[in-house]
Amino acid sequence: AQSVTQPDIHITVSEGASLELRCNYSYGATPYLFWYVQSPGQGLQLLLKYFSGDTLVQGIKGFEAEFKRSQSSFNLRKPSVHWSDAAEYFCAVGPFSGGYNKLIFGAGTRLAVHP
Amino acid sequence: GAGVSQSPSNKVTEKGKDVELRCDPISGHTALYWYRQSLGQGLEFLIYFQGNSAPDKSGLPSDRFSAERTGGSVSTLTIQRTQQEDSAVYLCASSLDTAAYEQYFGPGTRLTVT
Repeated sequence: AQSVTQPDIHITVSEGASLELRCNYSYGATPYLFWYVQSPGQGLQLLLKYFSGDTLVQGIKGFEAEFKRSQSSFNLRKPSVHWSDAAEYFCAVGPFSGGYNKLIFGAGTRLAVHP
Repeated sequence: GAGVSQSPSNKVTEKGKDVELRCDPISGHTALYWYRQSLGQGLEFLIYFQGNSAPDKSGLPSDRFSAERTGGSVSTLTIQRTQQEDSAVYLCASSLDTAAYEQYFGPGTRLTVT
């Protein structure tokens, strides 16, 4: 069965430090992969997505993610975190068989940023 | 343009009452989704509408949950005889069509069942 695992429930970093949020998936074929961010009281906003091609994808707000098929991972990175990045981050995988695009989400990683 | 909107933003109801949650998708988006986000949990898929096709209800947790989409646009999620375990944030999303996997989410409705 398809699943998404985000091993870190909470992460705290200092402003200006680098960030990596981990995401591992279980899926029988090449997945479509997404990272969403949810700020307090807000809906989810798409940061970036991977469908095919270059395995390093760039997103909004200075985020990037790398698809590693051998490790079934799609980790999110940012070289220098800003206080406004404090939010909850969700990794998701989108099966596409039958033209059906339900998303399966991980449980999320809550990011806190210290000044 | 306008994003996905949901109403109400907050709803407090007594156990056993029925509630209706509304979602207005982005104009022109044919696909619409409902998800549930419980405290400390990821998003749980509930139901999916695509155009005029029969909805995929595979994620609905019980027969107390139902949803409809009128005119291919606005959707209503109805929970009958609410239970305390129904307390969660209910999120609606829309996407352009089946082949476009980018989903745009609304701000959600926080449901509290007392």
